[in-house]
Formats: sequence, structure tokens, C-alpha cells
Amino acid sequence: GENVEQHPSTLSVQEGDSAVIKCTYSDSASNYFPWYKQELGKRPQLIIDIRSNVGEKKDQRIAVTLNKTAKHFSLHITETQPEDSAVYFCAASKTGANSKLTFGKGITLSVRP
Amino acid sequence: DSGVTQTPKHLITATGQRVTLRCSPRSGDLSVYWYQQSLDQGLQFLIQYYNGEERAKGNILERFSAQQFPDLHSELNLSSLELGDSALYFCASSDTGGSGNTIYFGEGSWLTVV
Repeated sequence: GENVEQHPSTLSVQEGDSAVIKCTYSDSASNYFPWYKQELGKRPQLIIDIRSNVGEKKDQRIAVTLNKTAKHFSLHITETQPEDSAVYFCAASKTGANSKLTFGKGITLSVRP
Repeated sequence: DSGVTQTPKHLITATGQRVTLRCSPRSGDLSVYWYQQSLDQGLQFLIQYYNGEERAKGNILERFSAQQFPDLHSELNLSSLELGDSALYFCASSDTGGSGNTIYFGEGSWLTVV
């Protein structure tokens, strides 16, 4: 089955700097890659996703890039703010009726004011 | 608010007991997913139902079972509870049975086994 890995497990950046969070996946057939943000004690919320027919997607300060050849995808956050501090989960799946979303273990991002 | 409702929000029970967690999906969503989140294990997929039928199974223990009812709400039953079952259990829903579509999480049910 699919295996999604995130490294490192924690990341600390200065407010205003950029943060890049990387994920790798194992199943070359995976073609859907969402990112979820989870604040302490709250539910995971989708912040951006990308499908394998595109290499990059942007939404304001957030962007995701995908390298299918290398089987990795990254979340880029520019101009970080303290409210960006959270756990970020990447996930991967194939599309189709019996596929399931596999999550990485999450990265804790801390934005220092 | 994601539209996914989970009850109870918090539950404390003793080892060996049985509990039932309940989930109501977003209006119109046919798929329900259950995830377990422990401190060191991230989001572990347990099981998915689509329109009342089991669609995909993850690392769900034999002591755990789930079902989805005709009104599309779902219940996760946890029995013979152990200390290690203490976790945050999330329900999520999506409008289709296949992956590749956004899933929306509920607020979770905190289970503490003592």
C-alpha cells in the first residue's frame, strides 16, 4: 500500500520568512495530494490540494509543488505569520472507488514572532 | 464548521469497557471515514463506508467495528478497551465513494481509557 513520509517532524521559522514542508510517497499510481492543517485540539482542515496533472498550485501565501518522477511534493508558505503555527499533514491517494487517503505523520510548524 | 458532527466530544471509560462513537456526515455526503489520532501515530485510517456499505479498510483492530445506517450516520464501536486505545477519533465525510475528493473532518471524539 501507499506510504507517505514527512521530514522533518518539526520546523521553526521566524515570522515573515518562508517555510517549506516536504513529503514523499511510495505508490507511483497516486495522483491526488492534499495538505491539511491542524491547530492544537482542533480538526484537520484542507488548505490546498494538487492533482498529478499539474506541477504547481498557488492560493495566496500557500503553494504546493509536485514532482511525480521523484515522488515528492512540497508545501510552501510565504510571509509566515504566528497563526500559521500548527501541525501540517500531507496525504496521497489514487482516485477510484476503493482507494484511500494515506496521511503522513505530520510536521509541527512553529512561527517565532 | 465542517458540517460533520461527532458525539460525544469527550469520553472517559475503564479498561475492558465498550463505547460507541457517533458521526453525522455533511448533508449530501455519502462517504464516511473513521480515523484514529494518537500522539505519536498521526492520522491512522480505520475504515470507510459509502452509502451503507464498507468501502475500504485500514488498520482497524478486530475489537473495533463500524457501520453506516440508512440515514447515512455512522457509528464506531470500540470494545474490550485497552489503555492504548486512548486517542482522538475523527470522523470525516465526502460526497463520493472514491478518493481524490476533499474529505471534511468533524471535531473529533476524545477517548480516554483509564
